[in-house]
Amino acid sequence: KQEVTQIPAALSVPEGENLVLNCSFTDSAIYNLQWFRQDPGKGLTSLLLIQSSQREQTSGRLNASLDKSSGRSTLYIAASQPGDSATYLCAVHLSTGTASKLTFGTGTRLQVTL
Amino acid sequence: DTGVSQDPRHKITKRGQNVTFRCDPISEHNRLYWYRQTLGQGPEFLTYFQNEAQLEKSRLLSDRFSAERPKGSFSTLEIQRTEQGDSAMYLCASSYSGTLVQETQYFGPGTRLLVL
Repeated sequence: KQEVTQIPAALSVPEGENLVLNCSFTDSAIYNLQWFRQDPGKGLTSLLLIQSSQREQTSGRLNASLDKSSGRSTLYIAASQPGDSATYLCAVHLSTGTASKLTFGTGTRLQVTL
Repeated sequence: DTGVSQDPRHKITKRGQNVTFRCDPISEHNRLYWYRQTLGQGPEFLTYFQNEAQLEKSRLLSDRFSAERPKGSFSTLEIQRTEQGDSAMYLCASSYSGTLVQETQYFGPGTRLLVL
């Protein structure tokens, strides 16, 4: 059974710092990995999707890497801002035969302080 | 298109009552997923549809739960005889069936259920 772990569970940094969120998964037979952001009481916003054949993806101040063989992904946030405060979830796509379902980690709760 | 929508956004009900939630996916998306998220946890897969066919159900989906997607567009999730343990956020997601490696799921805002 695929298990996804995110470390740390919570993180507080001052504005302007660069930071790294970690995600690990137990089964490397994944199709892709997706990072999401979730604001309190809200749904999920997709940030980045990394295909299994890719090593990294970038979007603005965000960079996500994927190492399938070691079962790890990182989300790098550059020059953090208070608006980045949210819970960040990683999820791996597993095949159900004809489509993929997501297995999520428990998230990292990020607070960026002024 | 404004993305995936869900209705209602919040629902408070008494134990034993039935509730029904609706999800409207992004219009060209043929795949629709339901997930459940409890406090402090990541979402957990419940079921998914390709067009109108329900192709997989999680063991989390007890016989009190039923989901439909009658015309391959919107979907409903019904919970019968609700229990306090059903209190959670119910999230809907949709995607377009490209290749599996490229499939991105887009989530709605969720329906938060509280069973008293």
